[in-house]
Formats: sequence, structure tokens, C-alpha cells
Amino acid sequence: QKEVEQDPGPLSVPEGAIVSLNCTYSNSAFQYFMWYRQYSRKGPELLMYTYSSGNKEDGRFTAQVDKSSKYISLFIRDSQPSDSATYLCALSRQGAQKLVFGQGTRLTINP
Amino acid sequence: IAGITQAPTSQILAAGRRMTLRCTQDMRHNAMYWYRQDLGLGLRLIHYSNTAGTTGKGEVPDGYSVSRANTDDFPLTLASAVPSQTSVYFCASSDSWGDGYTFGSGTRLTVV
Repeated sequence: QKEVEQDPGPLSVPEGAIVSLNCTYSNSAFQYFMWYRQYSRKGPELLMYTYSSGNKEDGRFTAQVDKSSKYISLFIRDSQPSDSATYLCALSRQGAQKLVFGQGTRLTINP
Repeated sequence: IAGITQAPTSQILAAGRRMTLRCTQDMRHNAMYWYRQDLGLGLRLIHYSNTAGTTGKGEVPDGYSVSRANTDDFPLTLASAVPSQTSVYFCASSDSWGDGYTFGSGTRLTVV
């Protein structure tokens, strides 16, 4: 079983829709949770970072962590065509620099 | 502009040839990483270095070697390339876990 599971999609939604991207994990030692966005033919870039359970909001993006269920989510409100990209979740343990990545979900926002 | 520079951006390589992928960062980050990204498999860690002078093996290290002679440079060498090493290779760096990783733009390698 992989440490982090992420539905690879692809996911296609109309412009303006609310998008929900999710990852599940198996190891309760994970304490830090990140979302990366990767445009085609580019490297991943850090989008959101959260620590432990709770929500974090940044503009149209909300990252949510539920440690009891070992489930993390990224919500995109009022989605735009420019949000079309692959989104990767990444987790790390306390005191560990190495990240464990999900497989990535490819998202397309249709105008 | 601060960040990571990878070279070359793309390369076609004959099987059996030796190749070094270059990675340089100007952020003075302690840790550096090499990943390969393949469709359906996501990002897989090849090798990493927590600080200059030290390296470690990741998830898929076979066929690859790295060195970390100084803080800024972290080259990845394929001693004798095979077609299964066809992939997109990303170099990344980090200072502390809280800051996440900074990635380069990648090297697209095709081994024929």
C-alpha cells in the first residue's frame, strides 16, 4: 500500500465551479501537509502549506486537513482556466525534510 | 532570479552512454533532491543530500549516482543509460521542512 494515495484523474470541470482535490494517507506520523501545482512542462511549485488538522485559506484556495481520518483536501473556488494544472499533495513527518508525494491529479477548467 | 537551474532542458541519449544532469541552486539551501516523474507513477525520489558532503539513496537509486561537493551543485549521473531511464528529471532543494521544496524546470531525457 502506498503511503499517500491520490486520484490521478483527469478531472474536467466548467469555469466557475468549485473543485475538490483529495489525498489519503496511511501513516499517522505525517504532520506537515502541502499542495503543489505543476503546469505542463514546468516544475511543481508550492501552493499551500498546512500543519496538523484544520483549514487554511489563501484567496480562492482552501487547504483542509483531517488527521483523524488521514484525509487532506484542496478546494478551489470560482475556478479559472488558468487553474488548469496537475495538483500534487505532499506530506512530511516531524523532523524530516523529505516529502512524500501523491501521484498528482490533472485538472482542466473549461471556459 | 533566485532558484534552481537545471541543464540540459532536454536530451536524447543513446543507450549505454554516460550522462550527467546538472543542477545548481542559489538559495543556499542545505538539502537537495533528485526526482524522476513518470506518467502514472508520480514523483519518485532517486537520491538526496541533506548537506554538502553527504548523500543518500531514495526510492529508485539503481543506475544513478550523485555527488555534493558544495552547497550549490548537485549533479546526477547515469553511468550507462537504459531505455527505462527515459523520464523527466527534477532537481529540488529545501532549507527547512516548513518551507517546502523549490523545484527546477526539469530535464526531459529520452534514452533510445
